[in-house]
Amino acid sequence: QSVLTQPPSVSGAPGQRVTFSCSGSSSNIGAGYDVHWYQQLPGTAPKLLIYGNDIRPSGIPDRFSGSKSGTSASLAITGLQAEDEADYYCHSYDSSLSVYVFGTGTKVTVL
Amino acid sequence: QVQLVESGGGVVQPGGSLRLSCAASGFTFSSYGMHWVRQAPGKGLEWVAFIRFDGTNKYYADSVKGRFTISRDNSKNTLHLQMDSLRAEDTAVYYCATVLIVVVSGTNDYWGQGTLVSVSS
Repeated sequence: QSVLTQPPSVSGAPGQRVTFSCSGSSSNIGAGYDVHWYQQLPGTAPKLLIYGNDIRPSGIPDRFSGSKSGTSASLAITGLQAEDEADYYCHSYDSSLSVYVFGTGTKVTVL
Repeated sequence: QVQLVESGGGVVQPGGSLRLSCAASGFTFSSYGMHWVRQAPGKGLEWVAFIRFDGTNKYYADSVKGRFTISRDNSKNTLHLQMDSLRAEDTAVYYCATVLIVVVSGTNDYWGQGTLVSVSS
């Protein structure tokens, strides 16, 4: 059972903005550990979208943005496109368990 | 360019063993920590193990602690995962992945294509 909780699914029409959260605790996100976000298309390896809470690697469109506050982090996708339909995972470190953890995952559906 | 290629997956009976390997190229392997991450069929990502750049520290998920061993050979740019006492619930695609690394194109992490481990009688 993951210590990082995400909504199972979110949806939006093309061009809309969607946001979803990654809820943690004082031993992971709240302790100041960085949050990373991954996009996973079916049958492929995860791809890094955001690292260090809010930094986009080169080549990632600025439609994707990350933020962190307290014990939670969020990923926002603006100008939703059909190609954004995928599973998204947050990722951080938990000091009480001394383990790295992934969120439960959120499936984004473009209507 | 950075490349990670996993091998060693396959079908194994419950209680059996398997050794996964991950061949790395395109970056200074000996300078970076490495992860193993798995994904059971239709399920989410699960972090499995991490090893520091020099192999001095290793960390494991509770679900595999005492059964799996992560190791690395920096002279051969290779990461390993020795999996013993395998259970049906270990069935998954196993990925090796780098920590964040800095290359010419910027900061990123890199993943292999994954190797399927199926534990079944």
